[in-house]
Amino acid sequence: NAGVMQNPRHLVRRRGQEARLRCSPMKGHSHVYWYRQLPEEGLKFMVYLQKENIIDESGMPKERFSAEFPKEGPSILRIQQVVRGDSAAYFCASSPRILAGVETYNEQFFGPGTRLTVL
Amino acid sequence: AQTVTQSQPEMSVQEAETVTLSCTYDTSESNYYLFWYKQPPSRQMILVIRQEAYKQQNATENRFSVNFQKAAKSFSLKISDSQLGDTAMYFCAFMNVGGGTSYGKLTFGQGTILTVHP
Repeated sequence: NAGVMQNPRHLVRRRGQEARLRCSPMKGHSHVYWYRQLPEEGLKFMVYLQKENIIDESGMPKERFSAEFPKEGPSILRIQQVVRGDSAAYFCASSPRILAGVETYNEQFFGPGTRLTVL
Repeated sequence: AQTVTQSQPEMSVQEAETVTLSCTYDTSESNYYLFWYKQPPSRQMILVIRQEAYKQQNATENRFSVNFQKAAKSFSLKISDSQLGDTAMYFCAFMNVGGGTSYGKLTFGQGTILTVHP
């Protein structure tokens, strides 16, 4: 069973370009989380998605950032008109289906991350 | 909202010695889990140990153990018999599992860089 896959591993963009980061969750996992790690800092939650639904986007910047997790294919984190401050490592994590109403823990399995550099 | 604080930016230890990394957190939730993650130079996030808040017994995984003080909201990690491969950034993290809008997402501390010296 392959782990969480992210591509590209490294992405270089010039200011004003668009960045698309892809995340393929583990087989059987229907929940995806995106986190951002700025240099010398911890990971910060950005967005939580299920298939075709955004569950929690409280950590997403209001502008230029969007995320989707379509019925088929990987989850995509899209950053429009990138600026130097977007340079960071972006991590995706996936977990299996969460049982509603029951205190249960679903471990999040992390991908290797995409390091975005904005020139 | 939850906060997680790691007050030690850097720590060092000699090989085979024991080291303790500190973490405190703040939350109004009653059902939650706490974690320690390791991030080596490869940047891959690796789960080291997990503690359920409803359990009084401290979690242990081989050379790794925690001291969970729920009333004090403290969650430290002890690494025994330190090895060179333990050199990494260590993150403390919190997850609400009791429902509500913050359910399921991880809140991380700032991290502690641990260096194990031969």
